[in-house]
Amino acid sequence: DTEVTQTPKHLVMGMTNKKSLKCEQHMGHRAMYWYKQKAKKPPELMFVYSYEKLSINESVPSRFSPECPNSSLLNLHLHALQPEDSALYLCASSQDPAFEGQPQHFGDGTRLSIL
Amino acid sequence: EDQVTQSPEALRLQEGESSSLNCSYTVSGLRGLFWYRQDPGKGPEFLFTLYSAGEEKEKERLKATLTKKESFLHITAPKPEDSATYLCAVTNGADKLIFGTGTRLQVFP
Repeated sequence: DTEVTQTPKHLVMGMTNKKSLKCEQHMGHRAMYWYKQKAKKPPELMFVYSYEKLSINESVPSRFSPECPNSSLLNLHLHALQPEDSALYLCASSQDPAFEGQPQHFGDGTRLSIL
Repeated sequence: EDQVTQSPEALRLQEGESSSLNCSYTVSGLRGLFWYRQDPGKGPEFLFTLYSAGEEKEKERLKATLTKKESFLHITAPKPEDSATYLCAVTNGADKLIFGTGTRLQVFP
């Protein structure tokens, strides 16, 4: 069992829908991340939150909107997605952004399919 | 440019046949090298962190080593349950992980 919990595990949505992905961790970690992973590829970084503030946005299209309501929760709001956005979306957390070289711990992801 | 290269892309082993996976890296100021295991449909599972050349870490049948240019993940007497994709990643401290493309390991009974 992972200590980073993601819901839902699977999501199918149309291109006009609005949905949200949720991530939760209770390890006291202060950095949280969203990644996108396509089949047989490594994870690609999308966003980084450090102390609940957005610190990195890897030029992600505006149809993806992250939110960090508190230090334990991370959301990814989805709107008007394209078929090429179908992928495994992974959330990760790490202990303290002030200490370099901390490992990131991943959830099991949300498998997203866009019709 | 920071980059990570893993080899081989795929590896098939007989149960009990020991082998090594390679991770070569180029990074401006290594702050950590990480090994992860990923099963199909799951997120990467953290295995090891290595910080400096000469460092070694062990866990069950796995042993990770680090030099100034590469890391090895040695698998001793593997079992079918060791089958997975093994990912190597590095960081230069900028909150980003730079991943290699992984090695897909299959262990047959």
